[in-house]
Amino acid sequence: SAVISQKPSRDICQRGTSLTIQCQVDSQVTMMFWYRQQPGQSLTLIATANQGSEATYESGFVIDKFPISRPNLTFSTLTVSNMSPEDSSIYLCSASGGGTDTQYFGPGTRLTVL
Amino acid sequence: KQEVTQIPAALSVPEGENLVLNCSFTDSAIYNLQWFRQDPGKGLTSLLLIQSSQREQTSGRLNASLDKSSGRSTLYIAASQPGDSATYLCAVRPAAAGNKLTFGGGTRVLVKP
Repeated sequence: SAVISQKPSRDICQRGTSLTIQCQVDSQVTMMFWYRQQPGQSLTLIATANQGSEATYESGFVIDKFPISRPNLTFSTLTVSNMSPEDSSIYLCSASGGGTDTQYFGPGTRLTVL
Repeated sequence: KQEVTQIPAALSVPEGENLVLNCSFTDSAIYNLQWFRQDPGKGLTSLLLIQSSQREQTSGRLNASLDKSSGRSTLYIAASQPGDSATYLCAVRPAAAGNKLTFGGGTRVLVKP
């Protein structure tokens, strides 16, 4: 199984600022993803983080708002740019591959925007 | 477009009772289905994964069944305990969409001592 860590675990930010969330996997994985979970809601996929190339975004999510990097097989970052209170959510990193179909999730980053 | 539904949205049972959680999906062309547990404010813990060719998977007190043709999966938790209180999410990986998961809305479970 893969163990995924995220930093920070939570943050409170001011409107108009940006926050970068880091995701680290303890083993090499094929796929990495970023999800958003708004209060009381289920998970929505933001994008697939591709190693060494631009991320693949889902409908309703754009690179200018959620730039993503994945410089190697085990690390990715998600930036939430020009934040507004509507961006208050839990952001979760997930990964799969490395010989298993199971998708593993990090502990999440709880973001509150004032 | 794949849609995943979980009913009921919330469930409260006395300790010791068996839990039955339902998940339905609209497109039967799936690669696999995964059940997760989420504690309040936390990430997701994978419970069971069922491949599209399988009918069920078991782990301890947990048993998950899959009927792909009817678009249904059921998670059974035997002899529930207060520690089973959490939100349970099912997610399907469509056959043609890489590793992307589509999640249901979850069932929030409370097991009362």
